[in-house]
Amino acid sequence: GDSVTQMEGPVTLSEEACLTINCTYTATGYPSLFWYVQYPGEGLQLLLKATKADDKGSNKGFEATYRKETTSFHLEKGSVQVSDSAVYFCALSDRPGNKLVFGAGTILRVKS
Amino acid sequence: GAVVSQHPSWVICKSGTSVKIECRSLDFQATTMFWYRQFPKQSLMLMATSNEGSKATYEQGVEKDKFLINHASLTLSTLTVTSAHPEDSSFYICSARDRVDYGYTFGSGTRLTVV
Repeated sequence: GDSVTQMEGPVTLSEEACLTINCTYTATGYPSLFWYVQYPGEGLQLLLKATKADDKGSNKGFEATYRKETTSFHLEKGSVQVSDSAVYFCALSDRPGNKLVFGAGTILRVKS
Repeated sequence: GAVVSQHPSWVICKSGTSVKIECRSLDFQATTMFWYRQFPKQSLMLMATSNEGSKATYEQGVEKDKFLINHASLTLSTLTVTSAHPEDSSFYICSARDRVDYGYTFGSGTRLTVV
């Protein structure tokens, strides 16, 4: 079945450092890809998404590009802030509106 | 934007009792509600998918008689954990799919502790 693999954390960075969180997927067809963020004790918030190959999702300085050839959707940010500390989940759905399949999540800790 | 209100945000109950968790879509119609369970420092595991007016579809290994899901309207879905035991302690999150644009909106989650 479909699956998502994320790099293990936690990832600890200093403020203003560059961030990359790797995400690769296995799916038949052409899934939609998502990044969600979860702050402590809260639900998930959509960070960005991409629905077809070569699409780039972006939001709040974060970016991810749908790479079909490498089945990847890596999350990047050029300069992280302490407020970015959270858990980041990569996810896919095989068709719009179908269930989401999540990766294991990556904890990001940003130190001032 | 779209909002899903999930209540309660946390609950402590005694072993053997039942707990009901509600999710309401406040400004959109949710044809489908997904219910997830999250263990500490782990990912979200889909428990079941419910469509308005029909029976829920449970993932393999999830006891449908223990986790009762009702989706009686386009704006309300409930998950009832029946005869709760300490191993049911977890973080439960709902996610509503918008009828129009198929977007997903998550509730803020419910922390259930069974003592």
